[in-house]
Amino acid sequence: AQKVTQAQTEISVVEKEDVTLDCVYETRDTTYYLFWYKQPPSGELVFLIRRNSFDEQNEISGRYSWNFQKSTSSFNFTITASQVVDSAVYFCALRSGTSYGKLTFGQGTILTVHP
Amino acid sequence: DTGVSQDPRHKITKRGQNVTFRCDPISEHNRLYWYRQTLGQGPEFLTYFQNEAQLEKSRLLSDRFSAERPKGSFSTLEIQRTEQGDSAMYLCASSLADLGQGQNTEAFFGQGTRLTVV
Repeated sequence: AQKVTQAQTEISVVEKEDVTLDCVYETRDTTYYLFWYKQPPSGELVFLIRRNSFDEQNEISGRYSWNFQKSTSSFNFTITASQVVDSAVYFCALRSGTSYGKLTFGQGTILTVHP
Repeated sequence: DTGVSQDPRHKITKRGQNVTFRCDPISEHNRLYWYRQTLGQGPEFLTYFQNEAQLEKSRLLSDRFSAERPKGSFSTLEIQRTEQGDSAMYLCASSLADLGQGQNTEAFFGQGTRLTVV
């Protein structure tokens, strides 16, 4: 069975602070994919990143960076110099490498960035 | 707009009534998914279509739920005899599978249909 745990239910920061959202996953698959999605108040899940299990290189995209560590089964997401527009619910998700595309989501972390 | 669109965005219904939601995926996407999201939780998988074929249904999908994807284009999700426990956001997503390469793009989600059963 697959499982994704986002232990942080809510995080509150002040604008320009750095913030890290934690994600821990469980899977028996040797090939799998990890995702982060952002859900603003409008409700639509916005894709942020996909990472393959065989590629542990960290990735940076603007103010966003992701740290994938297979040894600890973690895929953490850091926002540098947070902005009010970053306020949203963030979901980590897992997909089996043999799957047609079904995602297993964590419970989400509510991020609030105060001006 | 070339994203995934869902209709209606909001639906309030009385317990016991039937409701139907529609999802229009990204036009070239051959895979379509329905998820349900309750307050404070992540989306949970309900069912999946490859073109017009429904290939998997979650145990969450009771016999009051039925989904179709005629002609492999738009999809509908119907809930019969709604119950208060059906109140949730129903999300549709689509992706493109390159079956020859065994690759699947990431899923793109619609804005969801929020159902309230009173």
